[in-house]
Amino acid sequence: QKEVEQDPGPLSVPEGAIVSLNCTYSNSAFQYFMWYRQYSRKGPELLMYTYSSGNKEDGRFTAQVDKSSKYISLFIRDSQPSDSATYLCAMSLTGGGNKLTFGTGTQLKVEL
Amino acid sequence: GAVVSQHPSWVICKSGTSVKIECRSLDFQATTMFWYRQFPKQSLMLMATSNEGSKATYEQGVEKDKFLINHASLTLSTLTVTSAHPEDSSFYICSAPRQTDSNQPQHFGDGTRLSIL
Repeated sequence: QKEVEQDPGPLSVPEGAIVSLNCTYSNSAFQYFMWYRQYSRKGPELLMYTYSSGNKEDGRFTAQVDKSSKYISLFIRDSQPSDSATYLCAMSLTGGGNKLTFGTGTQLKVEL
Repeated sequence: GAVVSQHPSWVICKSGTSVKIECRSLDFQATTMFWYRQFPKQSLMLMATSNEGSKATYEQGVEKDKFLINHASLTLSTLTVTSAHPEDSSFYICSAPRQTDSNQPQHFGDGTRLSIL
């Protein structure tokens, strides 16, 4: 069993839809949780960074962490074609600047 | 703008040659940099942690003699793939946290696409 599980998709939604992306993990010691967006043949770009359980909102993006369930989510409101990319969850024991464990990534396509 | 620069972005070379990839932090010092490898439709796998002024720390299963890492300054780390073979073809990505606060997330380079013929 992988430490971090993420549905690879692809996930296809119409423009304007609310997108829900999720990851589950097995190591309860993870404390820091990140969501990255990766366009084809580019490096990951940080979207959200959270510590411990709770919600965080930034523009159209909302990140949720439920440590009791070992489950994290990223919601994208009013999705746009430019949101089409692969979304990677990542987590760390000791801070985002330290060793990260990534999910496999979910490929998202937002269609006109 | 980009805070971590990676060069080259794409390289094609013959089997048996060695390839050097550079990773630079542009506006901050990085005592630590990370090197990842990513195969198509797969996630990033950490290969090694590059430490300025000391030896790199390699993840289990990564051959340190095959993937040479040098972190000679606070803004530059290099990964050399020695005697590259087709199975080494992959997307190599570096990242770096800002030195002063490891609690802050890493900044990633745009990756190097390596194709070995």
